[in-house]
Amino acid sequence: AQKITQTQPGMFVQEKEAVTLDCTYDTSDPSYGLFWYKQPSSGEMIFLIYQGSYDQQNATEGRYSLNFQKARKSANLVISASQLGDSAMYFCAMREGSSYPYNFNKFYFGSGTKLNVKP
Amino acid sequence: EAQVTQNPRYLITVTGKKLTVTCSQNMNHEYMSWYRQDPGLGLRQIYYSMNVEVTDKGDVPEGYKVSRKEKRNFPLILESPSPNQTSLYFCASSLGGGQGTQYFGPGTRLTVL
Repeated sequence: AQKITQTQPGMFVQEKEAVTLDCTYDTSDPSYGLFWYKQPSSGEMIFLIYQGSYDQQNATEGRYSLNFQKARKSANLVISASQLGDSAMYFCAMREGSSYPYNFNKFYFGSGTKLNVKP
Repeated sequence: EAQVTQNPRYLITVTGKKLTVTCSQNMNHEYMSWYRQDPGLGLRQIYYSMNVEVTDKGDVPEGYKVSRKEKRNFPLILESPSPNQTSLYFCASSLGGGQGTQYFGPGTRLTVL
């Protein structure tokens, strides 16, 4: 089974509107971490936001927030007030915990969502 | 400036010709990792290293080797490259294994003819 699923290969959003990028994950480990990365057309991977499985509050970083729904195993990225510079590929990733049989040194990435922001 | 560097950034080679992609970080990170990125598949982990002389396989290690003789360097070796190893490769590093945020290098685009 896929550890990370991103079901939206591509999305469009109007500039200044909010957009939600979906991510679901699959693990039986109670201890895990979830990450979102941005990859602009230039190719570099930029860390955006992190959510730990035991964190009580949803993570926020500026215009980025993570809508963490543990029971549904979803970790959607919300970008508020989209800007043209937000056009990029976005990847959701997970690492599991340190207790056997899990390995917190292994990372799993989704297939990505390509976001296009329209002026 | 804190960074992860990779060389070369672009490489075109032929089947069977051994090559090495270098990766170096200046942040004194214990953990380093290699990924390959292919369209529609996202990033897949090839190998990772928790510290000097400690390495382990990721999800797609076949056809690759790594070594970690110094903390700052983590080269990726393709002993006999094949066309199915044509991909975009990323090196990443972080403090403390999976507990840390990974910082990525700029990527190496490899084409094997």
